[in-house]
Amino acid sequence: AQTVTQSQPEMSVQEAETVTLSCTYDTSESDYYLFWYKQPPSRQMILVIRQEAYKQQNATENRFSVNFQKAAKSFSLKISDSQLGDAAMYFCASISGSARQLTFGSGTQLTVLP
Amino acid sequence: KAGVTQTPRYLIKTRGQQVTLSCSPISGHRSVSWYQQTPGQGLQFLFEYFSETQRNKGNFPGRFSGRQFSNSRSEMNVSTLELGDSALYLCASSPSGGRTMNTEAFFGQGTRLTVV
Repeated sequence: AQTVTQSQPEMSVQEAETVTLSCTYDTSESDYYLFWYKQPPSRQMILVIRQEAYKQQNATENRFSVNFQKAAKSFSLKISDSQLGDAAMYFCASISGSARQLTFGSGTQLTVLP
Repeated sequence: KAGVTQTPRYLIKTRGQQVTLSCSPISGHRSVSWYQQTPGQGLQFLFEYFSETQRNKGNFPGRFSGRQFSNSRSEMNVSTLELGDSALYLCASSPSGGRTMNTEAFFGQGTRLTVV
């Protein structure tokens, strides 16, 4: 079974600053993917970034990057130059080869202060 | 390309009734998954359909069921509604199929179900 843990229920960041959201996971599988999803007030879950477990290089998408520490089973999201539109609930999630469903963490509510 | 469409967006039902929610995946996607989101339990997997077959099922009672049609559209049904079924129900479509895992899931805006 997979588990995903987000220990920060809420975070805040000043506009234009950098913030890091934490996530740890547990899986016994060697083939898995990790994701960060954003859920704004519109409720639609939007994929922010994806990381393949077999890739050592950390994924990057514009202002969003991850710090993937495989041995520590840690997968944090860094948002640089934060914008007001980044305010949302952020979910860390994983999927493995044997379980074809996403397992989500409990989410981190990010507030961006002007 | 149109995204994932869920209908209706909002529903209010009475305890004991049944409800059917609909999900139209992105064109060409053959896998559809359903998730329940509540403040207390978070996001929980309900089931996944691929090519009209249920491939995977979460830990929900038999009152929760679903199906997928030949055009990949999916419906989920909840019978004998309980107050605890009040939730946001999210549908996700994925392009992958067969034995490969869904490495990319695109979500709809959800259906907000309120049971009174």
